[in-house]
Amino acid sequence: QVQLVESGGGLVKPGGSLRLSCAASGFTFSDYYMSWIRQAPGKGLEWVSYISTGGTAMYYAESVKGRFTTSRDNAKNSLYLQMNSLRAEDTAVYYCARDRVSGSFLTGFGYWGQGTLVTAST
Amino acid sequence: DIQMTQSPSSLSASVGDRVTITCRAGQSITKSLNWYQQKPGKAPKLLIYAASSLQSGVPSRFSGSGSGTDFSLTISSLQPEDFATYYCQQSYNTPVTFGQGTRLEIK
Repeated sequence: QVQLVESGGGLVKPGGSLRLSCAASGFTFSDYYMSWIRQAPGKGLEWVSYISTGGTAMYYAESVKGRFTTSRDNAKNSLYLQMNSLRAEDTAVYYCARDRVSGSFLTGFGYWGQGTLVTAST
Repeated sequence: DIQMTQSPSSLSASVGDRVTITCRAGQSITKSLNWYQQKPGKAPKLLIYAASSLQSGVPSRFSGSGSGTDFSLTISSLQPEDFATYYCQQSYNTPVTFGQGTRLEIK
């Protein structure tokens, strides 16, 4: 069955960096666009980034552009989010998610991980 | 960016009730609209994609309709496990945007 497991969250000071990972299993990882989506405590969902199947095309929310970088390693079935210059407003649970349809994006987020909490605070 | 507005923000209903949640897009998104259910402490779950298609494994009491700018999610007969927060999301273009959520509570 499809599994997505995030890791790497934690407490970091504003201005600091953190790298999140998402380990995928149960499907052909290289066939699917992947995303990061976050949810601040008690708030709604905010899409963060998309990455294409081969990792050559990335799309970002304006709120993280220039600070966050999404990458993937298809040989390791893993998705990453490098977060630099973290701000208090980046505090959230970060989910990785798989698109519903292989080879396409913007098809709906069919599978989600359990999330990992990032807290940017002094 | 395409703004997504859900109504109501919260809703109280009883088991067995029929409920409808609406979602309005700031511009036409054809049928590129998805619905998710989220329970406390859990990841969201895809219920409906492309405005009206039921995701595999989702009970048939959930249905979606609409196109263009106006969409709705209907639960035909509320079950205890349906009390949760529901989000719409446009997949017409990036940046992907979500509605603010509708919290469905037990009356």
